[in-house]
Amino acid sequence: AQTVTQSQPEMSVQEAETVTLSCTYDTSESDYYLFWYKQPPSRQMILVIRQEAYKQQNATENRFSVNFQKAAKSFSLKISDSQLGDAAMYFCAYRSEDFGNEKLTFGTGTRLTIIP
Amino acid sequence: DTGVSQDPRHKITKRGQNVTFRCDPISEHNRLYWYRQTLGQGPEFLTYFQNEAQLEKSRLLSDRFSAERPKGSFSTLEIQRTEQGDSAMYLCASSPKPTGTDTQYFGPGTRLTVL
Repeated sequence: AQTVTQSQPEMSVQEAETVTLSCTYDTSESDYYLFWYKQPPSRQMILVIRQEAYKQQNATENRFSVNFQKAAKSFSLKISDSQLGDAAMYFCAYRSEDFGNEKLTFGTGTRLTIIP
Repeated sequence: DTGVSQDPRHKITKRGQNVTFRCDPISEHNRLYWYRQTLGQGPEFLTYFQNEAQLEKSRLLSDRFSAERPKGSFSTLEIQRTEQGDSAMYLCASSPKPTGTDTQYFGPGTRLTVL
């Protein structure tokens, strides 16, 4: 079974600064997908960024980028130019590439606070 | 464009009562997923559907839990004889197709409190 570990329960960053959230995972599969989801307080979860394991190039979405290290099974999220609206719980998630095994396996989350 | 909707948003019930939650996925999404999220934890997978077929059930889904998606559109999750340990946020998600990095779009959740 796959597991996802987020070792930082809480992080804080000054507005406009850069912060990196850590995620490691364990799997015996070679093909899979990784995701970062954001869950603002009392609001629904939304996708921030996703990465296919077969791609060596790190995914980027505007101010959000990942550092994907397949051999190390590490998938960190970097948020540049942090904004107040970035305050939320961030969850790292894993999904198998196997058809029919589509569930997301989530980590325990990192609560990000933005300091004005 | 309407997203995933869930009803009710909050439910308070007494131990031993039955409760039913509804999820309406994004139109034409054939995949529908149920997750449970307890305080301080990430969501945990419960079950999912392709159209009306229930393809996988987690061992977390005890025999008190049942989910249906009768016409391949909305889904219901029923919990019978609720226990205090069932208190959690129940999240529904949908996606358009099963392959690749298809995003699962989440609803706002139903928060269940069992007294």
